[in-house]
Amino acid sequence: GENVEQHPSTLSVQEGDSAVIKCTYSDSASNYFPWYKQELGKGPQLIIDIRSNVGEKKDQRIAVTLNKTAKHFSLHITETQPEDSAVYFCAASMDSGYSTLTFGKGTMLLVSP
Amino acid sequence: DVKVTQSSRYLVKRTGEKVFLECVQDMDHENMFWYRQDPGLGLRLIYFSYDVKMKEKGDIPEGYSVSREKKERFSLILESASTNQTSMYLCASSPGTSYEQYFGPGTRLTVT
Repeated sequence: GENVEQHPSTLSVQEGDSAVIKCTYSDSASNYFPWYKQELGKGPQLIIDIRSNVGEKKDQRIAVTLNKTAKHFSLHITETQPEDSAVYFCAASMDSGYSTLTFGKGTMLLVSP
Repeated sequence: DVKVTQSSRYLVKRTGEKVFLECVQDMDHENMFWYRQDPGLGLRLIYFSYDVKMKEKGDIPEGYSVSREKKERFSLILESASTNQTSMYLCASSPGTSYEQYFGPGTRLTVT
């Protein structure tokens, strides 16, 4: 089955800095790569996703890049703010018909004012 | 807005008890999922269902069963709770045409 590795496990930045979280996946058949944000006391929520036919996608201060050859994808957050502090999960999915996701172990991002 | 609700935010049970965790979604989604979340291990899929009365094992089904009698409701059952099932349990749902999963707030289960 699919295996998703995520690094780093914790990341501390100063407000205004950029943050980068990286993930690798094992199954070349995976074609959908979402990122979820989990705030304290809440369930994860989708913030951005990318499909395998696209190399990069942006949404305001967040962007995701995908390198299919190397089987890795990254989340980039620019101009970080304290409200970006949360746990971030990457995931990968094959088009199996069941929409199941394999998640990475998560990155706790702490943005200090 | 999609809403996924879970019956309890916190639950304390004794070893050997039968435990029911309930999840309800209000968006007529075909797919529903149960995960457990543990520090350093991320989200691990226990079971999922793609239709009423249908279920599929995820990565860690041992010690768990599920029930889906109605489209909007998906129950996770711990037949005989054990201390190693102490965890945060997250329910999610997704429409059949999309990968995006909508999560509930989670149930923190403690088995003593």
